[in-house]
Amino acid sequence: GNSVTQMEGPVTLSEEAFLTINCTYTATGYPSLFWYVQYPGEGLQLLLKATKADDKGSNKGFEATYRKETTSFHLEKGSVQVSDSAVYFCALSDRGTDKLIFGTGTRLQVFP
Amino acid sequence: DADVTQTPRNRITKTGKRIMLECSQTKGHDRMYWYRQDPGLGLRLIYYSFDVKDINKGEISDGYSVSRQAQAKFSLSLESAIPNQTALYFCATSDLLGYEQYFGPGTRLTVT
Repeated sequence: GNSVTQMEGPVTLSEEAFLTINCTYTATGYPSLFWYVQYPGEGLQLLLKATKADDKGSNKGFEATYRKETTSFHLEKGSVQVSDSAVYFCALSDRGTDKLIFGTGTRLQVFP
Repeated sequence: DADVTQTPRNRITKTGKRIMLECSQTKGHDRMYWYRQDPGLGLRLIYYSFDVKDINKGEISDGYSVSRQAQAKFSLSLESAIPNQTALYFCATSDLLGYEQYFGPGTRLTVT
């Protein structure tokens, strides 16, 4: 079945450091891919998405590129801020069922 | 006002009690979902509904039931709560494409 694997956290960085959170997926067909972010005490919110191979999603300085050849959708940001501290979830949409399948989440902690 | 609201936000209950978690949305979406979040396990789908007359089990529906009272309301019930149902519960909605889901703020449930 379809699944998403993302790196375990926590990821601990100093402010202005470069961020990469790895995400790989297993899916039949051509899913859409997403990154959701969960700030402390809140629900998840969509950060960015990509709907086909080679698409790049971007928002708030974060980027991720849909790589079909490596089945990956890694999240990157060039310079993180303390306010980016949150849990990040990679997800894919199962086109057969229209459901989202989430990874286990990666906690990011950014220190000043 | 928030587009997706959940009540209560926090609840402590005893083993064997019946409890209902409520979700309301003002986004006009047909699709609604209930998820459970546990540390290290990400989000797991409990039930989902694609319209008022459509209810579907997710991957962990045992011990739970739902009611779709209207397009805007989707309730989750635990008929006889047990301690391993202690978790954070999220309601979400999406439009017909189902690609982007909008989450409520969550209900933290503790079963003692």
